[in-house]
Amino acid sequence: AQKVTQAQTEISVVEKEDVTLDCVYETRDTTYYLFWYKQPPSGELVFLIRRNSFDEQNEISGRYSWNFQKSTSSFNFTITASQVVDSAVYFCALGLKTSGSRLTFGEGTQLTVNP
Amino acid sequence: GAGVSQSPRYKVAKRGQDVALRCDPISGHVSLFWYQQALGQGPEFLTYFQNEAQLDKSGLPSDRFFAERPEGSVSTLKIQRTQQEDSAVYLCASSLPRDSPLHFGNGTRLTVT
Repeated sequence: AQKVTQAQTEISVVEKEDVTLDCVYETRDTTYYLFWYKQPPSGELVFLIRRNSFDEQNEISGRYSWNFQKSTSSFNFTITASQVVDSAVYFCALGLKTSGSRLTFGEGTQLTVNP
Repeated sequence: GAGVSQSPRYKVAKRGQDVALRCDPISGHVSLFWYQQALGQGPEFLTYFQNEAQLDKSGLPSDRFFAERPEGSVSTLKIQRTQQEDSAVYLCASSLPRDSPLHFGNGTRLTVT
């Protein structure tokens, strides 16, 4: 069975601070995908990134960066110089090659960025 | 619009009533998913369509839940004899064929009283 754990239920930071959201996953499959989604108060899940299990290169997109480490089964997400608009619930998710786009989500981390 | 559209946005049902939730996927998206998100939890998979074929319904919690996508575009999730534990946000997502990122709608918040 697959499992995604986001140990941080809530994080509160002050604007311009850097913040890292942790994600640990479990799967016996060797081919899988990892995702991060953002869920603002409007409720829509916004796709942020997808990485496949064979690509451990870290990725940076503007203020966002992701650190994928298979050795520790982790896929952490860092926001640099956080802004109030970053306030949302962030979900990490795992998808298997064998199950198409069916995703197993973590329980989410509520990030609050205070001015 | 270019995104996934769900209706109604909010639904209040009395226990025992039947409800129908609608999803309009992004045009051309072959795959369609339904997820259930309880308050404070991550979304949980319910069912998956590829075109009009329902390929996986293993996540449906009981036989009171039924989903269809008869023409391979719009989908309806029906819940019969609603119970309080059915209260949740029901999210629809669509994507291009396998392995593509999911695009989610805003969801339907169902409250069963």
